Amino acid sequence: NAGVTQTPKFRVLKTGQSMTLLCAQDMNHEYMYWYRQDPGMGLRLIHYSVGEGTTAKGEVPDGYNVSRLKKQNFLLGLESAAPSQTSVYFCASSRQGASEKLFFGSGTQLSVL
Amino acid sequence: AQSVTQLGSHVSVSEGALVLLRCNYSSSVPPYLFWYVQYPNQGLQLLLKYTTGATLVKGINGFEAEFKKSETSFHLTKPSAHMSDAAEYFCAVKPSGQGAQKLVFGQGTRLTINP
Repeated sequence: NAGVTQTPKFRVLKTGQSMTLLCAQDMNHEYMYWYRQDPGMGLRLIHYSVGEGTTAKGEVPDGYNVSRLKKQNFLLGLESAAPSQTSVYFCASSRQGASEKLFFGSGTQLSVL
Repeated sequence: AQSVTQLGSHVSVSEGALVLLRCNYSSSVPPYLFWYVQYPNQGLQLLLKYTTGATLVKGINGFEAEFKKSETSFHLTKPSAHMSDAAEYFCAVKPSGQGAQKLVFGQGTRLTINP
């Protein structure tokens, strides 16, 4: 039972470098989300998608881009990483939106030096 | 904008004692309310949720929460704490009547269980 899988689990970047975080779900869910978790701030929504080929901005979208070319995958990109993007990133999916249970991946710990 | 406030970033109780984690939300319309739990080095898991109907909601692992509209609260309780309950707990709200499919999370409360 894979559920929601995030890769990589850990990454260290230098300021200005780029990278892509991959989220894959095998539950045929329509909705997918990217959150970041920072101490004392809970989880904040970066971007989300309500279906293949669609994306929308969340609370803190600046500095990130996303793509949902396939229903099962949701990619989060950092074009030019900044120290302020040091965080733990979580992907989540749900069958029909945020009123239903969200299934979370195990997270990606990103450090930007 | 919808907000969620969890009172107390850290709560410590003895094994066997009552667990009470507090959550208040701001909304003029009753929203969908959730409690999620995060064990160390894991993603979040749903404990319970309130949508409509009965205001006392039972979840997994013996937890329950009561929706009180007059107090705009959704506090989480468990009668008797177990060592395995040590984790971080997040209250979350999805505002009703809005098209955006977003969950707004509180800041989290770290629960420590003392032997």
